[in-house]
Amino acid sequence: ETGVTQSPTHLIKTRGQQVTLRCSSQSGHNTVSWYQQALGQGPQFIFQYYREEENGRGNFPPRFSGLQFPNYSSELNVNALELDDSALYLCASSLFQGRGNEQFFGPGTRLTVL
Amino acid sequence: QKEVEQNSGPLSVPEGAIASLNCTYSDRGSQSFFWYRQYSGKSPELIMFIYSNGDKEDGRFTAQLNKASQYVSLLIRDSQPSDSATYLCAVNYPDSWGKLQFGAGTQVVVTP
Repeated sequence: ETGVTQSPTHLIKTRGQQVTLRCSSQSGHNTVSWYQQALGQGPQFIFQYYREEENGRGNFPPRFSGLQFPNYSSELNVNALELDDSALYLCASSLFQGRGNEQFFGPGTRLTVL
Repeated sequence: QKEVEQNSGPLSVPEGAIASLNCTYSDRGSQSFFWYRQYSGKSPELIMFIYSNGDKEDGRFTAQLNKASQYVSLLIRDSQPSDSATYLCAVNYPDSWGKLQFGAGTQVVVTP
C-alpha cells in the first residue's frame, strides 16, 4: 500500500470539455509528479509540483495545467480535451531530496475522451 | 531514437529460472535509475532503484548499472508466475532529478 490516492477512478468526457483529476500524496512526501500513460506505452512526464510551484514540465501543451496545495495534494487540469488525451493519468508522490526522488504511483485515473 | 529503450517482449521464462531484462538510455547525464513492475490494468510499482555503477540486490531482484555503456538491467531469480507483468525502466532527465523518462516496458511471462 503506497498511500497515494487518486480520484476519480474512471472518467468519460467529450471532445472540447475540461477535466480535473485529483491526487493525494503519501504521508511524509512533499512532491507530486503527473504522468500520462497511453495503452502499450510507458508513462510520459507531464509536470512536477514542489512547494506549490511547478518544478519541471514535459512536452505537453499549456492546456495541461496543475496545482499543488499546502497539504501537498495536487490537481491536474486539462482544457479543450482531444481524443488523443484518452489515457491513464498517473500521479506519483516523492520526497524531494536531490538525487534519488523515488516516486510512488497512485492507482491512476482512466480518462476516455469521446 | 528513443531516449530509453527496452525490448518489448514478451520474454517467456520457465518457473524457477532467471529472467534478464535490459534497458539502454541516451542521456549520459542521467544519474538515477529505476525499475517498476506493472500488472495489467494496474499502476506501476517501484521494485528497484540504483544510482551507482555495479550491482544492487534486493531479495530475488538484482539491478545492474553500467554508466559508461549507458545500460541498466534487472535480474529476477527463481521466477514465479506472480512475476508475470510488464517491467518498466525509468531514468531521470539530466536537467532534473524529479523528471523521469520511461521505456515502453518489457512484458515477462513466467510459465509453470
